[in-house]
Amino acid sequence: DTGVSQDPRHKITKRGQNVTFRCDPISEHNRLYWYRQTLGQGPEFLTYFQNEAQLEKSRLLSDRFSAERPKGSFSTLEIQRTEQGDSAMYLCASSSYRDSYNEQFFGPGTRLTVL
Amino acid sequence: ELKVEQNPLFLSMQEGKNYTIYCNYSTTSDRLYWYRQDPGKSLESLFVLLSNGAVKQEGRLMASLDTKARLSTLHITAAVHDLSATYFCAVDVNFGNEKLTFGTGTRLTIIP
Repeated sequence: DTGVSQDPRHKITKRGQNVTFRCDPISEHNRLYWYRQTLGQGPEFLTYFQNEAQLEKSRLLSDRFSAERPKGSFSTLEIQRTEQGDSAMYLCASSSYRDSYNEQFFGPGTRLTVL
Repeated sequence: ELKVEQNPLFLSMQEGKNYTIYCNYSTTSDRLYWYRQDPGKSLESLFVLLSNGAVKQEGRLMASLDTKARLSTLHITAAVHDLSATYFCAVDVNFGNEKLTFGTGTRLTIIP
């Protein structure tokens, strides 16, 4: 399977704990995005990487959130000192810069529950 | 700030009927995307619309784009149960990162 993969698929944690999610994009894609989706809403943009460079962060991404893409391949999203409001589905998407348009392909998501 | 609105938010329709979902957006863009999401699942890309007047069709679904009206439609023909899902439209406006701004989604239920 050459699609976008995410790990873990589900994470339950207690408030105040740190969590880290991983995303493996489609191998030839150099753009990687993180989105957050809460129940009944559309996904909201969090951050964007082109290769290893993080080029944009949403104001939704507080200082408790950090994302990396160290070698321009997989990416991690870390949330420190989790709060109940962080409970959501975290979606990763990738796309190819070479396309004349930017069709983004989404992974299965990581569902985070903060107790 | 870009806003993307869809209507209706909820749609319940009988099998065999036709219906249209509408997507309006608030700023100039000529790139619009439609996605499907099944409950608890991720998003599946359905259509990419890249210019004014673009029309794409796949099976019982047809999407169109009117950039002057800032409107896209997703038309369902002779609905079948398998089309039950939530449908999102999304727009990108920033050349360079093309982050997507999504609508709130239309939850479609097809009744046998």
